[in-house]
Amino acid sequence: QSALTQPRSVSGSPGQSVTISCTGTSSDVGDYDYVSWYQQYPGKVPKLLIFDVTNRPSGVPDRFSGSKSGNTASLTISGLQAEDEAYYHCCSYAGSYTVVFGGGTKLTVL
Amino acid sequence: QVHLVESGGGVVQPGGSLRLSCAASGFTFSSTTMYWVRQAPGKGLQWVALISHEHTTRYNGDSVRGRLTISRDNSKNTVYLQMTSLTPDDTAIYYCARDAKWGLFDYWGQGALVTVSS
Repeated sequence: QSALTQPRSVSGSPGQSVTISCTGTSSDVGDYDYVSWYQQYPGKVPKLLIFDVTNRPSGVPDRFSGSKSGNTASLTISGLQAEDEAYYHCCSYAGSYTVVFGGGTKLTVL
Repeated sequence: QVHLVESGGGVVQPGGSLRLSCAASGFTFSSTTMYWVRQAPGKGLQWVALISHEHTTRYNGDSVRGRLTISRDNSKNTVYLQMTSLTPDDTAIYYCARDAKWGLFDYWGQGALVTVSS
């Protein structure tokens, strides 16, 4: 079971939008609408940001949005803020209770 | 309020063993699938073991299968990870996480640091 592919890093200026991709296979991302995204600050616990591809838990700003096309899921952060600088991890259900994570993406706010 | 509290981390020599515990509260533990997810220094997240509410277990890959054993005690609302034959590659923060459904981890513990070093 190979990890989902994410860019190691992305960057953007305050107010801009950035998109982080998460590429899997037809056995995980492409087969299930159960993709989630997690935000993690250095030294902190991951926090659920997006679930079921597009849904936000209560309390997550609507600046964060998710989508999926084929075997690739994406997280878009619009109106970038300094506090968004963090690591972002994608995760997909892969059947038989198993999941697969991406390698994580470091977002830098310039 | 949901709480997950790990314990049992520490420094262990290569070849040694360690047992992590994760005490859960604030939800119906016996009905919930639980995962152990680890994060090596500077790396991404990797699930290592899961146990369903029906006690079905799964392990992620040959590198952990046979060395890591996940179990649960519903009377204590606790999930365990017994780790044996540890190698430096097992050095990581180990999180327990609640699976709300199909890989949706809505609550995480604070993490237990495991360091395998001589």
